[in-house]
Amino acid sequence: SQTIHQWPATLVQPVGSPLSLECTVEGTSNPNLYWYRQAAGRGLQLLFYSVGIGQISSEVPQNLSASRPQDRQFILSSKKLLLSDSGFYLCAWTRRQGAEDSPLHFGNGTRLTVT
Amino acid sequence: DAKTTQPNSMESNEEEPVHLPCNHSTISGTDYIHWYRQLPSQGPEYVIHGLTSNVNNRMASLAIAEDRKSSTLILHRATLRDAAVYYCILRGYGQNFVFGPGTRLSVLP
Repeated sequence: SQTIHQWPATLVQPVGSPLSLECTVEGTSNPNLYWYRQAAGRGLQLLFYSVGIGQISSEVPQNLSASRPQDRQFILSSKKLLLSDSGFYLCAWTRRQGAEDSPLHFGNGTRLTVT
Repeated sequence: DAKTTQPNSMESNEEEPVHLPCNHSTISGTDYIHWYRQLPSQGPEYVIHGLTSNVNNRMASLAIAEDRKSSTLILHRATLRDAAVYYCILRGYGQNFVFGPGTRLSVLP
């Protein structure tokens, strides 16, 4: 069966510090991968998605970036965190072939607090 | 991306059925209807999805209108653990999952 791992579960970082969140998927190949963010009390915002290694699409301009160095690995980064980067970061995947008929599966998320 | 409209909140009594509505009047013929729910402090969880026919699984049932302009998620017996935000999403070919505000379901003991 497929599983998605996301770490760390919680993170407290000072303003201006770098960020690296990692997500890996097991049990499937060639997944579509996604990063979402949910600010406190708000909805889910799609940040990045990827349909293959090295292929990243950004939905929202910001100081975050994403990379996909391997087929089942998706990394969210920032060089300098802002207070507004605080939130709940969620990695997710779907099957690539027939993706519209594939459920979106989420990791457990990382709760980031920028102080 | 086609949009959906859901009530902001709903209440149900424990052990009673719950019908969560979703309107999607601009749905296209190839859009799948997906439902997810998000429990407090957790990531969203897949519930069910369908295209044209009604669907059943261990969690819920999905009733899709004949014209596909609306759908209803049915929880057959609500429990306290079903209290969550429920999202109705359309997904077509080449599109991403766009989450709206959803419906906050409260289950009363």
